[in-house]
Amino acid sequence: KAGVTQTPRYLIKTRGQQVTLSCSPISGHRSVSWYQQTPGQGLQFLFEYFSETQRNKGNFPGRFSGRQFSNSRSEMNVSTLELGDSALYLCASGRTATEAFFGQGTRLTVV
Amino acid sequence: DQQVKQNSPSLSVQEGRISILNCDYTNSMFDYFLWYKKYPAEGPTFLISISSIKDKNEDGRFTVFLNKSAKHLSLHIVPSQPGDSAVYFCAASVVGRDDKIIFGKGTRLHILP
Repeated sequence: KAGVTQTPRYLIKTRGQQVTLSCSPISGHRSVSWYQQTPGQGLQFLFEYFSETQRNKGNFPGRFSGRQFSNSRSEMNVSTLELGDSALYLCASGRTATEAFFGQGTRLTVV
Repeated sequence: DQQVKQNSPSLSVQEGRISILNCDYTNSMFDYFLWYKKYPAEGPTFLISISSIKDKNEDGRFTVFLNKSAKHLSLHIVPSQPGDSAVYFCAASVVGRDDKIIFGKGTRLHILP
C-alpha cells in the first residue's frame, strides 16, 4: 500500500509570492491534516479536511488555506509569503482525524 | 496555550541503557495518546499509542505509561540503540470527536556510543 505522498519535496520562493503544496493520502483515507514544523515549535496544526470539508483549523492567518478534492487529495496554499513561513510542511492522512500517517514533507524556504 | 508539553528539548542516553521521554498534557478530555519518531528530512512515523482506559502499553523495546491523575505519560525505550537517535513527539487526541491530534514540541534523543 503506497504511503502519503507530498510534492514537491523542496521549494524556494521569494517573499510576497504564493505557493501550493500537494498531498496524496493513503488509499482509503478520507482525513487529511496539515502541520507546520519549525525549529523549537514542534508540529503546529494548520487544518484538517474530511470528505472535502474543512473540519478543524489551527491558529494560522488567513494567508494559509487548503482544500480537498473528491479523491481525497489535498492542497495547501500560502499567499503573500513571509520569511517566517520557511518551514517543513507535513501532511498526514488517516481513516479518522485521530489517526495520522505522515508524508515526508515539503521543505519550503522563503528568501 | 500548549496543551501537550514536552519540557525536555533534548536527552542524551548511553547505548544499552533505558531512555525515558516525558510528556504532560493539560486537557482532561484527551483519551488517546500517541508517540511519533522523526528523523531529519523525513515525516514522523507512528511508534506506539495508548488509550486512557489503560495505564501501560508495550511493543517490543517501547513501553508507554499513562498516569491520568497526573496528566502525564512517558515513553520508555530499553535497551536504547543508536538508531533510536531521533526527535520524539508526544501527541494527544479525543477519540470519537473527530478532533485534531495535538503534538508536543518534541524531544531530541541522542544515543551515545
